[in-house]
Amino acid sequence: AQTVTQSQPEMSVQEAETVTLSCTYDTSESNYYLFWYKQPPSRQMILVIRQEAYKQQNATENRFSVNFQKAAKSFSLKISDSQLGDTAMYFCAFNSGAGSYQLTFGKGTKLSVIP
Amino acid sequence: DADVTQTPRNRITKTGKRIMLECSQTKGHDRMYWYRQDPGLGLRLIYYSFDVKDINKGEISDGYSVSRQAQAKFSLSLESAIPNQTALYFCATSAATHTDTQYFGPGTRLTVL
Repeated sequence: AQTVTQSQPEMSVQEAETVTLSCTYDTSESNYYLFWYKQPPSRQMILVIRQEAYKQQNATENRFSVNFQKAAKSFSLKISDSQLGDTAMYFCAFNSGAGSYQLTFGKGTKLSVIP
Repeated sequence: DADVTQTPRNRITKTGKRIMLECSQTKGHDRMYWYRQDPGLGLRLIYYSFDVKDINKGEISDGYSVSRQAQAKFSLSLESAIPNQTALYFCATSAATHTDTQYFGPGTRLTVL
């Protein structure tokens, strides 16, 4: 069974600074998909970024980028130029792909952006 | 308009009552899911459906049932609610493609007294 571990329950960052959230996972699959979801106080789950394991290039979406290390099974999220609206819970999630049904989530990291 | 909607957004009920949570989507996706979120536990899968005739149990299906009324509608029922079913419930949808990205509704906060 796949597992996803987020080792930082809480983090804080100054506005305009850069922060990195960590995520590791365990799988025997060779092809899979990794996601970061954001859950602000409104509680909506919002897709931030997605990475396909067969792609070596790290995914980027505006201020959000990932550092995907397949051999190390690591998938960290970097937020640049942090904004107050980035304050939220961030969840790392894994999907083994090929039509697999289940997203396996980590327990989340609570990020606070300080003005 | 939101692509995935859930009703109600909040609900308080009593132990033993039957309750239904509803999910509708306009994304045209075939696959729909119900998750439960508890503090410190992330999200866990309750049930999933790949089409109207295909419904499957997830990791925590005990005490829950579902109905897929149409491609766009997927309901979750608690036949006899108990306090430890107090949680935030999310519906999600995905297309039947290899990327299988799931898109979530706004969630339903359920409290069982």
